[in-house]
Amino acid sequence: EPEVTQTPSHQVTQMGQEVILRCVPISNHLYFYWYRQILGQKVEFLVSFYNNEISEKSEIFDDQFSVERPDGSNFTLKIRSTKLEDSAMYFCASREGVSAEAFFGQGTRLTVV
Amino acid sequence: SQQGEEDPQALSIQEGENATMNCSYKTSINNLQWYRQNSGRGLVHLILIRSNEREKHSGRLRVTLDTSKKSSSLLITASRAADTASYFCATDAKGTYKYIFGTGTRLKVLA
Repeated sequence: EPEVTQTPSHQVTQMGQEVILRCVPISNHLYFYWYRQILGQKVEFLVSFYNNEISEKSEIFDDQFSVERPDGSNFTLKIRSTKLEDSAMYFCASREGVSAEAFFGQGTRLTVV
Repeated sequence: SQQGEEDPQALSIQEGENATMNCSYKTSINNLQWYRQNSGRGLVHLILIRSNEREKHSGRLRVTLDTSKKSSSLLITASRAADTASYFCATDAKGTYKYIFGTGTRLKVLA
């Protein structure tokens, strides 16, 4: 069964460093998402991406964040100048169409020290 | 309160019993999905129910949707210890294509 894959599964970074989280969505999907979940809290929407551009973003998704689909398969989330409060699980998701199920990857646990 | 709130926040039952979790939301939606999350792990898609549907089944799962009350329920029948997890509803409001998650119900099934 096709699945969304995310790498790395766990990343530890120094405060102030840049990180890139990678995702390979399901191949025929058109809508892509990033979410985050701070430990013990709810899953929060960050950004949605369609047709090679951001379609929606939340207040969390400020200038520190950017997304890119550098080729036909990868979808990345870049976090510049990481802060301690960026420590969270980051989930990538994709779906085929607007009425379809959204499938999530296993997440990348980001720890900023 | 926020779009997508589940109740109860926590539920503890014995193996073999049924577990019912509820989700309420505030705006008109296109779809509602239920997800399961084992501790510290990824989100596993369970069921999608569309706004024009009232009930869906998948194995031991039964989901209902009442758009007039802006609420949904997830019923897990004959629960097993392996069903122990957090369960979230996620809604996409009309006019948007993002899913907003509820606060989740932590289900514990005791063997």
